[in-house]
Amino acid sequence: LAKTTQPPSMEAYEGQEVNVSCSHTNIATSEYIYWYRQVPHQGPQFIIQGYKDYVVNEVASLFISADRKLSTLSLPWVSLRDAAVYYCIVGGSGSWQLIFGSGTQLTVMP
Amino acid sequence: EAAVTQSPRSKVAVTGGKVTLSCHQTNNHDYMYWYRQDTGHGLRLIHYSYVADSTEKGDIPDGYKASRPSQENFSLILELASLSQTAVYFCASSDWGNYAEQFFGPGTRLTVL
Repeated sequence: LAKTTQPPSMEAYEGQEVNVSCSHTNIATSEYIYWYRQVPHQGPQFIIQGYKDYVVNEVASLFISADRKLSTLSLPWVSLRDAAVYYCIVGGSGSWQLIFGSGTQLTVMP
Repeated sequence: EAAVTQSPRSKVAVTGGKVTLSCHQTNNHDYMYWYRQDTGHGLRLIHYSYVADSTEKGDIPDGYKASRPSQENFSLILELASLSQTAVYFCASSDWGNYAEQFFGPGTRLTVL
């Protein structure tokens, strides 16, 4: 399974757009990119997944570079509720195993 | 209405004692998982199951047993609890064919003294 690298922490003000980057230089052709977030005292929550190009859902958007070695999770108009640890995970489409790294701690300021 | 529930939500156990953590899901999912999370770190997989009456080892199974008596229920058993097993334990479930979209429970905070 490919290893991912994320910034350990980020800060933003309410209402800003936040972009969380993730490097996965050894991603295999069979692997997808998944993003989860975890707020304090709760389990992780799935946000979005993608293979290439651009994916969007009601919560976030995910941009994947052409060589698939870099992905960026974009959160529009963050609020205090978006303060969480964001995990970027890479795995095969048939792989049940999620390997959580240390993630990116997002702090949102009023 | 929560689809993955865990009990107890917190527990204090003594070293050498037996601890059972329970998980129940109403997602009708085939896969269930047990993870542990140590303070400031990501989650690590202990055991998982893809069908009732069968369990598989994850990355860190030593010191843990698992039991899946039905599709809805998955237990984690610490036969001889140790100080190093103090952590938060999360249960999750996922559907066959969409393994990576896992639904997590609220966690059980276990303190072993």
